[in-house]
Amino acid sequence: AQSVTQLGSHVSVSEGALVLLRCNYSSSVPPYLFWYVQYPNQGLQLLLKYTTGATLVKGINGFEAEFKKSETSFHLTKPSAHMSDAAEYFCAVSDAGNQFYFGTGTSLTVIP
Amino acid sequence: KAGVTQTPRYLIKTRGQQVTLSCSPISGHRSVSWYQQTPGQGLQFLFEYFSETQRNKGNFPGRFSGRQFSNSRSEMNVSTLELGDSALYLCASSPDGTGFSSPLHFGNGTRLTVT
Repeated sequence: AQSVTQLGSHVSVSEGALVLLRCNYSSSVPPYLFWYVQYPNQGLQLLLKYTTGATLVKGINGFEAEFKKSETSFHLTKPSAHMSDAAEYFCAVSDAGNQFYFGTGTSLTVIP
Repeated sequence: KAGVTQTPRYLIKTRGQQVTLSCSPISGHRSVSWYQQTPGQGLQFLFEYFSETQRNKGNFPGRFSGRQFSNSRSEMNVSTLELGDSALYLCASSPDGTGFSSPLHFGNGTRLTVT
């Protein structure tokens, strides 16, 4: 089975500062990788995904992530945090086993 | 296209009762998955259905069951409710027939409170 580790259950950044949310996965085969965002009382919304091709993936709201196979990582970044970025972020991995595996989430707080 | 629709949004039940939650996937999506989300456990996979067949199942007791209809709509049922079943139940749909290279599309969930 796959596993996903998100380092830091809570991250705080100042408005305008760099956002870095970490995700590492375990996989014996090339995975499909995703980042989701969840706002209070809502479901999860897809931010970006990596399936094949370019390892730097751009998503919505200015977020991007880089797939590093050698480090088994898929960290999420945004150059400049906005107040509206405050939310819960989930990293997920899937493989051909027809199942998704989610990390435990990182709560992002943006300080004005 | 309409998104994933879950009904009801909120439910309050008493211990020992049973509950049925409903999910309508995005049109054309044949896979429906269910997750339980709690503050301490994150997202826990319940089961996944594809073309009316349960294709995967998580580690939940038999009190948790589901089904999928020919129009891809899905229901999950929890019998003999326990306090620990209080959670946000999320449904997600995907078009995939083989493998999960396509992302999951989530509904807004059903908030179940067991008293």
